[in-house]
Amino acid sequence: DSGVTQTPKHLITATGQRVTLRCSPRSGDLSVYWYQQSLDQGLQFLIQYYNGEERAKGNILERFSAQQFPDLHSELNLSSLELGDSALYFCASSPGTTGAGNTIYFGEGSWLTVV
Amino acid sequence: AQSVTQLGSHVSVSEGALVLLRCNYSSSVPPYLFWYVQYPNQGLQLLLKYTSAATLVKGINGFEAEFKKSETSFHLTKPSAHMSDAAEYFCAVSVGSSSDKLIFGTGTRLQVFP
Repeated sequence: DSGVTQTPKHLITATGQRVTLRCSPRSGDLSVYWYQQSLDQGLQFLIQYYNGEERAKGNILERFSAQQFPDLHSELNLSSLELGDSALYFCASSPGTTGAGNTIYFGEGSWLTVV
Repeated sequence: AQSVTQLGSHVSVSEGALVLLRCNYSSSVPPYLFWYVQYPNQGLQLLLKYTSAATLVKGINGFEAEFKKSETSFHLTKPSAHMSDAAEYFCAVSVGSSSDKLIFGTGTRLQVFP
């Protein structure tokens, strides 16, 4: 158990709909990351928040948005869903101190199926 | 831009045989390198990481990796494979000064045969 909690574990929704994925980081971790894992794209970095502020942005679509709340939990909002958005979405967290080399801990992921 | 390349999307070994999973990195500055493992229907678990303290890094479950700057490599090895090692393995790099995000390779699926 990494200590990173993601909900829901599985989600099936229709095209055009909007969903919210929730993440609670490890106790004390200030950084939260979102990744998308799909068969054709592999593991793609979406976005990182540090203590409520956006720190880095990756290949995140404009239809997707995220935020980190004062209690440090994070939500990833996916809207106008398309079949190609079906994937496993990981949340991860780290202490988030500046510089590289921090160990990043991953949750078990949220499986999203768009039908 | 920083990146890692994993050679071989699938590797098969017999139980008890040497495991060698290859990873090459591209970075203009000294990188931090990681190996993660993903078991079926689970999240990613850190196996080991290189942060410039020592070039030979020992991880969990008997795995180790050696950082070779001259070859820009960070290959993962285990002397004797076990059935429980069957999983997907990801190499990752982190070099950001403002962000410590990881950039992952495409993964290598390890199969272990009895």
